[in-house]
Amino acid sequence: AQSVTQLGSHVSVSEGALVLLRCNYSSSVPPYLFWYVQYPNQGLQLLLKYTSAATLVKGINGFEAEFKKSETSFHLTKPSAHMSDAAEYFCAVSEGGTSGTYKYIFGTGTRLKVLA
Amino acid sequence: DTGVSQDPRHKITKRGQNVTFRCDPISEHNRLYWYRQTLGQGPEFLTYFQNEAQLEKSRLLSDRFSAERPKGSFSTLEIQRTEQGDSAMYLCASSLPGRWQFFGPGTRLTVL
Repeated sequence: AQSVTQLGSHVSVSEGALVLLRCNYSSSVPPYLFWYVQYPNQGLQLLLKYTSAATLVKGINGFEAEFKKSETSFHLTKPSAHMSDAAEYFCAVSEGGTSGTYKYIFGTGTRLKVLA
Repeated sequence: DTGVSQDPRHKITKRGQNVTFRCDPISEHNRLYWYRQTLGQGPEFLTYFQNEAQLEKSRLLSDRFSAERPKGSFSTLEIQRTEQGDSAMYLCASSLPGRWQFFGPGTRLTVL
């Protein structure tokens, strides 16, 4: 069965510092991997996705993530944090291929706090 | 592209009452998903439609829950005899086959 583990339910960084949010996955088939951001009382917005193409994926708002099969990881990074990055971030895994439900399995989330 | 919309955004009800939520997906998306998100947790899959067919239901979807997508467009999620444990954010998402999901703003349910 697929699963996602996000290490660190809360992460605090100073404005301008590196952001690193960790995600490890478990999947018996080649996975599709996603990072979503959620602002308070809002739905989920897609930041970036890995769908078996380039292992380094660039997303919106300066975020990027690297798929490392050997480490079963898909960590999210941003070189310089901005106050507007404060939000909750979710990593998700989905089965790949052309058939299947494509339902997402989400991690428990990491709340990012940016300190002035 | 107006995105995925959900109605209502907030619902407060008393225990034992029935509630119904609506989701309007992106128009050309034939796949529609419902998820439930409780406080401090990630969203959990509830059910999935391809066009009007409900193809998968999670064990989280008890007999009190029913979802429909009658014409393959909008979908409704009904909860009968609500319980306090049903309090959560209910998220709807839609997608094209094999593509990533676009999420709506969610319906926050509070059961008193």
